[in-house]
Amino acid sequence: GEDVEQSLFLSVREGDSSVINCTYTDSSSTYLYWYKQEPGAGLQLLTYIFSNMDMKQDQRLTVLLNKKDKHLSLRIADTQTGDSAIYFCAENEGKDTGFQKLVFGTGTRLLVSP
Amino acid sequence: ETGVTQTPRHLVMGMTNKKSLKCEQHLGHNAMYWYKQSAKKPLELMFVYNFKEQTENNSVPSRFSPECPNSSHLFLHLHTLQPEDSALYLCASSPYPGQLYEQYFGPGTRLTVT
Repeated sequence: GEDVEQSLFLSVREGDSSVINCTYTDSSSTYLYWYKQEPGAGLQLLTYIFSNMDMKQDQRLTVLLNKKDKHLSLRIADTQTGDSAIYFCAENEGKDTGFQKLVFGTGTRLLVSP
Repeated sequence: ETGVTQTPRHLVMGMTNKKSLKCEQHLGHNAMYWYKQSAKKPLELMFVYNFKEQTENNSVPSRFSPECPNSSHLFLHLHTLQPEDSALYLCASSPYPGQLYEQYFGPGTRLTVT
């Protein structure tokens, strides 16, 4: 099976930038995703990137993709306390089966302190 | 109600009990999913239903029995569970099963098996 790995925990101060890293194994993944899970809630799609892109920016979020190293990162600029949550990296699997499924990492818990 | 709802939000059951988890989506989607979220482990896909038909069973033990009576409702019937089955069970839906479609998650049912 495919693997997605993330560090479990990141702590930053309010106003700093946060960088959450992820490595994946499926080189045929067409899309890579970042989901956010706030306490007591389900996962919510934050952003995704096509595998033929190196970078995608969306307001405070910047996604960087290094296909050669199979490394994905999510940068949150000017991190706020409301950004405290668990962030999941995911890749799609099963390109040739007609059914795509998402393979998630363990999630990185981001704690933003005032 | 909007989005994906799950009931109950919390459930404590003994190993000999039988209980059911319910998921309902109000988004007009055709695909529904069950995931298991355990501490410090990747999110695990359990089952996928597409137009009420089960299209994926990710080697889930038979003590978990899904049911999808229509595209809006999904159940997970539980019987003779083990303590290691304690986890957050997340339901999700998407227009169709596939990588191009965002999955919308419910808030989850926190299950504790005693």
